[in-house]
Parts: sequence; C-alpha cells; structure tokens
Amino acid sequence: DAGVIQSPRHEVTEMGQEVTLRCKPISGHDYLFWYRQTMMRGLELLIYFNNNVPIDDSGMPEDRFSAKMPNASFSTLKIQPSEPRDSAVYFCASSEGDTQYFGPGTRLTVL
Amino acid sequence: EDQVTQSPEALRLQEGESSSLNCSYTVSGLRGLFWYRQDPGKGPEFLFTLYSAGEEKEKERLKATLTKKESFLHITAPKPEDSATYLCAVQAWGATNKLIFGTGTLLAVQP
Repeated sequence: DAGVIQSPRHEVTEMGQEVTLRCKPISGHDYLFWYRQTMMRGLELLIYFNNNVPIDDSGMPEDRFSAKMPNASFSTLKIQPSEPRDSAVYFCASSEGDTQYFGPGTRLTVL
Repeated sequence: EDQVTQSPEALRLQEGESSSLNCSYTVSGLRGLFWYRQDPGKGPEFLFTLYSAGEEKEKERLKATLTKKESFLHITAPKPEDSATYLCAVQAWGATNKLIFGTGTLLAVQP
C-alpha cells in the first residue's frame, strides 16, 4: 500500500486566506485523525473520524477550523481565515485497530 | 487529566553507547502505550505497542518496557541511523483510539 497520502506537502499563504489540506488514508482503515505539530505544543490531536463520521473535535482550536470526510478515501482540513499562529505541520493518520499510521505531513506557513 | 512526560528532552550519545529514554504517564486507565520514531521532515513511524505492566517488545537495537507509571525505551549499542525524535503516546480506556503524545526525546548518535 502507498501509505497515508497528504497534499500539499508545503503551503505558504497570507493571513486571511483560506487553506485546505487534503488526506487519503490507507485503504481499509476505518479511523482517520488530524494532528497539528509545533515546537511549543508538540503533537496535538485536532479531530478524528470513524467510518467517515466525526467522533471527537474537541481539539479543534476554534471555529476557523473545519474538517470533513465525504467518503472513506478522502478527508479535508480547512482553515478560514488563516492566521500566522496557525503555522505548523499538520499530519493525517489512519488506523483499523490500535496502531495509527501517519502521513508525511503538510508544512503550513501563514505570513 | 491524562498526561505524558518524556525525558530527557535531548540526548547525545556516542556510537555504541547504550542508554534509555523515559516516558512517564498519568492516565485514568491505560489501554495501551505506543512508541513512535520521527525523522526530520517526516511523519511519526510506529515502533511498539505495550498493553500491560511487565510487557517488553524488541526490535533490532530497541527494547521497550512498561510499568504501571512509566515506560522505557532502551537503546543498545546505537548507531548514527538511530538518530531521531522518539515519541511516546498513551491511549486510555473509553477514549476510542485517541492518543495523547509526549513532546518527545531528540536523540543524536555521533559516529
């Protein structure tokens, strides 16, 4: 399998712009997770889905963040409007049991 | 509140110099403890899962152990290619597939 696929790998945008991050989980996995990693706070869970349904979004920082999973093979994380403090690496992970497998991440820079 | 603390934050070893990384945790009820390795610019890579106190897992030069309060990742005769950030995460009972990560230990092995 190709593993978890994320796009884009790098995104540079200006404050106030909309940003959409994309994820394709490993085929057959029924859980999908979105994380954010920063030097200050480490790896934080933002939201996760089970069978395309959002289960826990308590980690989403504020209403500017939203996530969708329209089908089993695709998910998006949207930030609108973006702010400089959103700059981080965003990871998507998927699992079918206990073990989560991570994608390569999207490095987001908001100027 | 469930919490994971890793120490040291950074560790520098000479090639062949064995050592251990520590992961202390506070969780309402431990379902599983996970170790991941993360190389610069990449997503975390799964290493081990431990489920009960006294359990041990090994992979090449790495051995993970678990007690009721902490886990150790022992590195025997490390090589430069073992240089990475090692992340520890816990999963609590009732928190379906949700992982709480520590901030990691940055390991540098010098030849």
